[in-house]
Formats: sequence, structure tokens, C-alpha cells
Amino acid sequence: QKEVEQNSGPLSVPEGAIASLNCTYSDRGSQSFFWYRQYSGKSPELIMSIYSNGDKEDGRFTAQLNKASQYVSLLIRDSQPSDSATYLCAVKNYNTDKLIFGTGTRLQVFP
Amino acid sequence: SAVISQKPSRDICQRGTSLTIQCQVDSQVTMMFWYRQQPGQSLTLIATANQGSEATYESGFVIDKFPISRPNLTFSTLTVSNMSPEDSSIYLCSVGQLYNEQFFGPGTRLTVL
Repeated sequence: QKEVEQNSGPLSVPEGAIASLNCTYSDRGSQSFFWYRQYSGKSPELIMSIYSNGDKEDGRFTAQLNKASQYVSLLIRDSQPSDSATYLCAVKNYNTDKLIFGTGTRLQVFP
Repeated sequence: SAVISQKPSRDICQRGTSLTIQCQVDSQVTMMFWYRQQPGQSLTLIATANQGSEATYESGFVIDKFPISRPNLTFSTLTVSNMSPEDSSIYLCSVGQLYNEQFFGPGTRLTVL
């Protein structure tokens, strides 16, 4: 079992729709959770971090965390073609302070 | 977030040679990390660069192949030694404060012929 799992996609959504990206993790000691966006040929850019159960909203982005289910998600409202990228889920355990990445989900937003 | 620069941004090298990649941060940071991202793959941690001591390497990565220096809290280098085509990859420097968010540099795209 991989430590951080994501559906590789591509996830295709029409412009203006909600894109829902999901991630599960295996280490119950994970304490910090992050979503990075990576455009083709570019380095990962941090877009959301979440540390406690529930929802965290930032503009069009909402991160959701459920530690009991070992599940974290990212919702993108009013999706735009410029949101087309690969979204990487990453988790960190304070004991190791290492960031473990999933394989990423490729999102395509079509006009 | 910190401003991170890497040099070179890209390079094409011959097999058997070595390349040193530099990572410079505009502020002091506790943690510096080196990652590799092979074509179409996610990020794999190579090592944690520790200031004033040897780097801590992940399974599958060794110091002889990937020597790392961290002379101060704003600078680190990663050397890819005795390169083969399998080393063709993007190499990324990442920084963060202990237990907090990590940010990535622009990356170094390496092609080995």
C-alpha cells in the first residue's frame, strides 16, 4: 500500500464547475496535510495546508480533512481553464518532519 | 514565503561526469531538502540537508552518488556524481521551518546523454 494515494486522472470538468480531488494516506501519525499545484514544466506551488479535522477555505479552494478516515480532499469552486494542472497531495509526520507526496491528480478544465 | 533560487536551471551533461546544483534562499531556514522528480512521476525525497553536519539520506540514495553540502542556513548544494542517463530528472530544492510548510525552488532540469 502506498503511503499517500491519489487517483492519477485526468479529471475533466467544465469551466465553472466544482472540481473534487481526493487523497488517502496510510500513516495515522500524519499531522500536517498539504495540497500543491504543479503546472507542466514548473515546480510545485503550495496552495493549501490543513492541520485539523474539518474544512478550511481560501478563496475558491476548500481543503477537507478527516483523520479518522485518513482522508483529505481539495475542492475547487468555479473551476477555470487556468486551474488545469497536476495537484499533489502531501502529508507530514512531526516525528520525521518529512513530506510524503502522492502521485498527483491531473485536472483538466475545459471551456 | 521565502524566495528560493536554483542554479543552473537546466543542463545537458555527458555520462560519467558530475554536476553541482546550488540552492540559495533569501532568509534563514531550519530545514532544506533535495527532491528528484523523474519524468511523469511524483516527487521523491533524496535527502535532508543539515546545517553543520552530514545530510540524512533516504533509502536508495547514497552520499557517494549525491553528496550534499549545507554550509549555512541559506545555502545548499547537491552534486549528482558519475551520471548516467537514468539520472535525467528534475532536481528540486525545498525549504521550510521545523514542522511547518515547505516551499520549492524552480528546479534544475538535468539531461544526461
